[in-house]
Amino acid sequence: EAQVTQNPRYLITVTGKKLTVTCSQNMNHEYMSWYRQDPGLGLRQIYYSMNVEVTDKGDVPEGYKVSRKEKRNFPLILESPSPNQTSLYFCASRFRRFGQPTNTGELFFGEGSRLTVL
Amino acid sequence: AQKITQTQPGMFVQEKEAVTLDCTYDTSDPSYGLFWYKQPSSGEMIFLIYQGSYDQQNATEGRYSLNFQKARKSANLVISASQLGDSAMYFCAMRADRGSTLGRLYFGRGTQLTVWP
Repeated sequence: EAQVTQNPRYLITVTGKKLTVTCSQNMNHEYMSWYRQDPGLGLRQIYYSMNVEVTDKGDVPEGYKVSRKEKRNFPLILESPSPNQTSLYFCASRFRRFGQPTNTGELFFGEGSRLTVL
Repeated sequence: AQKITQTQPGMFVQEKEAVTLDCTYDTSDPSYGLFWYKQPSSGEMIFLIYQGSYDQQNATEGRYSLNFQKARKSANLVISASQLGDSAMYFCAMRADRGSTLGRLYFGRGTQLTVWP
């Protein structure tokens, strides 16, 4: 089954304790991205990657790191989490190139990771 | 900068009625894609429908249709014959297909739809 898998799905941690949220996709997608969702703000992009070893900042990258050593994996790293990083996080992927009618370039999302930083 | 506006934080509709969720966008790029996603209370993001900026006809997918008015820069989602299971948060999103933000997807703040019996 084609899917994007995130782990953990739920996590409660404390300020300053480093954590990693893993993301893996099995669709051979070049493009991967992380979003955070906060009430009233919609989804905001944290980082994205166009391919292996190519990453770039989104709109809210502060406090986060990413790496793309393999095509299928795109982990999100919080080196020193703070309470303002309490959020619902989504990993998503798609093919780098898109063009109708067979490929609209839609993003495929993981199920989300709900993170609470105390 | 890209901008997506969803002006309705919440909408209510009776079962079996049609409902329109508003979305306007702002871009200077001639080529772009518009998406709608559904997020039920369980949290996952479900792709509903896509419209390309050069598409001549409005996109349709089952009970979902996208009312695309390019001159007005609007991409409203129309759900016909609402069902209780349509109760969810709905997000409009836009992807720029050219320029410095090529490929990035920008989301609106969402509209919470409640379908009542």
